[in-house]
Amino acid sequence: EAQVTQNPRYLITVTGKKLTVTCSQNMNHEYMSWYRQDPGLGLRQIYYSMNVEVTDKGDVPEGYKVSRKEKRNFPLILESPSPNQTSLYFCASSLLGNEQFFGPGTRLTVL
Amino acid sequence: AQKITQTQPGMFVQEKEAVTLDCTYDTSDQSYGLFWYKQPSSGEMIFLIYQGSYDEQNATEGRYSLNFQKARKSANLVISASQLGDSAMYFCAMREFPIYNQGGKLIFGQGTELSVKP
Repeated sequence: EAQVTQNPRYLITVTGKKLTVTCSQNMNHEYMSWYRQDPGLGLRQIYYSMNVEVTDKGDVPEGYKVSRKEKRNFPLILESPSPNQTSLYFCASSLLGNEQFFGPGTRLTVL
Repeated sequence: AQKITQTQPGMFVQEKEAVTLDCTYDTSDQSYGLFWYKQPSSGEMIFLIYQGSYDEQNATEGRYSLNFQKARKSANLVISASQLGDSAMYFCAMREFPIYNQGGKLIFGQGTELSVKP
């Protein structure tokens, strides 16, 4: 089944404790992206990647890191999470220029 | 800078009636794509419809159609014959067309919450 998977789906952590949210797609898509969704703000793009080893900043990259060592994986890293990074996070992938397929979301709470 | 505006935070529609969700955008690019997504209360993001900036015909997908007015920079979603299952949050989004590994940013509007009344 074609899909984008994210893990974990839910995470509660404390300020400053490094964490990684994994994202994987099985559709051989070149484009992958991370978004955060906050009430009243819609989805905001954090980082995106056009291909392996090619990443670029979205609108809200501060406090986040990504890497794209393989085509199928695009992990999101929070080196030192803070409470303002409490949010719902989505990973998505697509062929270049086409609609995005979204993962199920990861709800992160930083205490 | 690119921008997407959805001016209707919430809307109500009677079952079986048509409804239009507004979306205006701002970009200096000539090549771009416009998307609509649905997010039901379960949280997943569901792709509905796509319109390319050079497409001359308005996009349609079943009960969804996109009223694309390029000069006015609007890309309104029309849902015909609303159903109870259409109750959800709807997001308009715009994306630059990627060229030679450049571009590719995607921006979303704030969303419109649609409630369908029986």
